[in-house]
Amino acid sequence: AQKITQTQPGMFVQEKEAVTLDCTYDTSDPSYGLFWYKQPSSGEMIFLIYQGSYDQQNATEGRYSLNFQKARKSANLVISASQLGDSAMYFCAMREGGRGGADGLTFGKGTHLIIQP
Amino acid sequence: EPEVTQTPSHQVTQMGQEVILRCVPISNHLYFYWYRQILGQKVEFLVSFYNNEISEKSEIFDDQFSVERPDGSNFTLKIRSTKLEDSAMYFCASSESGMQPQHFGDGTRLSIL
Repeated sequence: AQKITQTQPGMFVQEKEAVTLDCTYDTSDPSYGLFWYKQPSSGEMIFLIYQGSYDQQNATEGRYSLNFQKARKSANLVISASQLGDSAMYFCAMREGGRGGADGLTFGKGTHLIIQP
Repeated sequence: EPEVTQTPSHQVTQMGQEVILRCVPISNHLYFYWYRQILGQKVEFLVSFYNNEISEKSEIFDDQFSVERPDGSNFTLKIRSTKLEDSAMYFCASSESGMQPQHFGDGTRLSIL
């Protein structure tokens, strides 16, 4: 079974609209972290937002927010007021384990978001 | 803002040769990672490193691979006897602690001919 599932391979959104990128995860570990990264066509990986499994509130970072629904095991990324520069691949990732060790991230397959003027 | 630096940005190597990919993590970070991304595919975890030893490694990270922190700033990935299927983008990442977000470098695109 996939640990991270991103069901939208591609999305087209009009500029200035809000967009939600879906991510569901699978883990039996009670302590985990969820991350979103942006990968523009230039290839770098840009950290956007983080949600810990014990965090009571949904994470927000500027125009990015994470809709964390723990019971449903979903961690959707919401981008408000989309801009042309938001066009990129977006990856959801999970770190399992709260031991504080150097745990590797498991990534989803990504969603290719294209913002149209 | 401090960032992870990777060199070279692009490496072309003949099959069977050894390559060393270099990374300078963010200076106050203690946890280091290598990932790879084959063209058009998702990012895959290779190995993590803490306190001068490997902390975790994936099944991809076999005897062909090794990591080293030769001094206080560099973190390297060595690939011995490269194969065509080693062609990929290799990302280095670092984090302040195991619980903090991992920050990625811009990657090294490795092309094996």
